[in-house]
Amino acid sequence: QQQVKQSPQSLIVQKGGIPIINCAYENTAFDYFPWYQQFPGKGPALLIAIRPDVSEKKEGRFTISFNKSAKQFSLHIMDSQPGDSATYFCAASDRSGTASKLTFGTGTRLQVTL
Amino acid sequence: DAGVTQSPTHLIKTRGQQVTLRCSPKSGHDTVSWYQQALGQGPQFIFQYYEEEERQRGNFPDRFSGHQFPNYSSELNVNALLLGDSALYLCASSLPGQGEEKLFFGSGTQLSVL
Repeated sequence: QQQVKQSPQSLIVQKGGIPIINCAYENTAFDYFPWYQQFPGKGPALLIAIRPDVSEKKEGRFTISFNKSAKQFSLHIMDSQPGDSATYFCAASDRSGTASKLTFGTGTRLQVTL
Repeated sequence: DAGVTQSPTHLIKTRGQQVTLRCSPKSGHDTVSWYQQALGQGPQFIFQYYEEEERQRGNFPDRFSGHQFPNYSSELNVNALLLGDSALYLCASSLPGQGEEKLFFGSGTQLSVL
């Protein structure tokens, strides 16, 4: 059962463009929504994260928009650069008992062209 | 400061064999989680260890087991390997008290089952 749906599967933008990646979730117990960036041959690295009491969060060129009522959140990358070419994963976490675990989306492969 | 280190980086096994993967967490981290990432998919939670005990487990069969040592390092064991176990196995560590939320991933062990 896929609890976090991510789209699009792949995305190509020109340098300076603003790619947008969308995610939707079903489990209302989720209370933490991070985005991870993964380069080939490497593990995912945390980019930015948001909690449901905030509708937007910015860190550098990365912005998360969060819509609690629609159970959707998205990542915007401002002034995208070729070095941003990577796979991006949204995720969601709920705290079950003494631990929490991350449920990841299926990933978006981003290519930023010159 | 070394990040999360995993060994080996690559491994080839045959069906029915057993495998052990190893992980050293980032300095100061006491919680270790293991994820399985199939090709083209997002990571899937296997289990989490804290204070040498399995704290939470994902939807994986008992063939997957783990261990955490007093120095917080961890092992993932998979018995009776199946072709479908071929994947990138990621170890992640986190800061005390933060559980899963701010994960630092290693580069993974690429397991191929023939």
